[in-house]
Amino acid sequence: EVQLVESGGGLVQPGGSLRLSCAASRLIFNNYWMHWVRQAPGKGLVWVSRINSDGSRTSYADSVKGRFTISRDNAKNTLFLQMNSLRAEDTAVYYCAREKSYEDFDYWGQGTLVTVSS
Amino acid sequence: QSALTQPPSVSAAPGQKVTISCSGSSSNIGNNYVSWYQQLPGTAPKLLIYDNNKRPSGIPDRFSGSKSGTSATLGITGLQTGDEADYYCGTWDSSLSVVVFGGGTKLTVL
Repeated sequence: EVQLVESGGGLVQPGGSLRLSCAASRLIFNNYWMHWVRQAPGKGLVWVSRINSDGSRTSYADSVKGRFTISRDNAKNTLFLQMNSLRAEDTAVYYCAREKSYEDFDYWGQGTLVTVSS
Repeated sequence: QSALTQPPSVSAAPGQKVTISCSGSSSNIGNNYVSWYQQLPGTAPKLLIYDNNKRPSGIPDRFSGSKSGTSATLGITGLQTGDEADYYCGTWDSSLSVVVFGGGTKLTVL
């Protein structure tokens, strides 16, 4: 079954770090752009970051630029999001998503909750 | 403040039709493809429409998408109680170089 599974979320203090992972199964992971999208509790979807198929190109939302780093390991079909200098406003469910063609997302993970609080 | 503007809520009776609008600008909707997502309570978003008006395999033809200028519209016919969800539009913004989403529209099937 085609599947994306996130892990790595949890409770972290302001200023702390977390590394999220997104494991892909039976998916042509290697040939696709991958993205992270987040959703604060009770709020809408917000795009966070993207990475191209070979990992050579990345981009970020202004709100996370310089603090978050997206990467991927194509040998292990895994996407990562390294989050540093976390703030309370980073609290959200983080989804990984596969881009189908033109910034449209045909597969989503189940999400992993990141809570930044002291 | 989202780059794309959607109505916060819409409602209609079972069996009826509803449309959800998504308004943007020339830097996003005006020059890029629009996609639509359905998010049922407590679940991840699901792709309903891509490339303005195409449906992925498995999405019933009750769902349709259109685009005109800097606005896009999602249409749902034959409403069912199971359609109650939040709906989001999304696209690329060429000026900001980011993906942008609408604020979401909550559909209630009365």
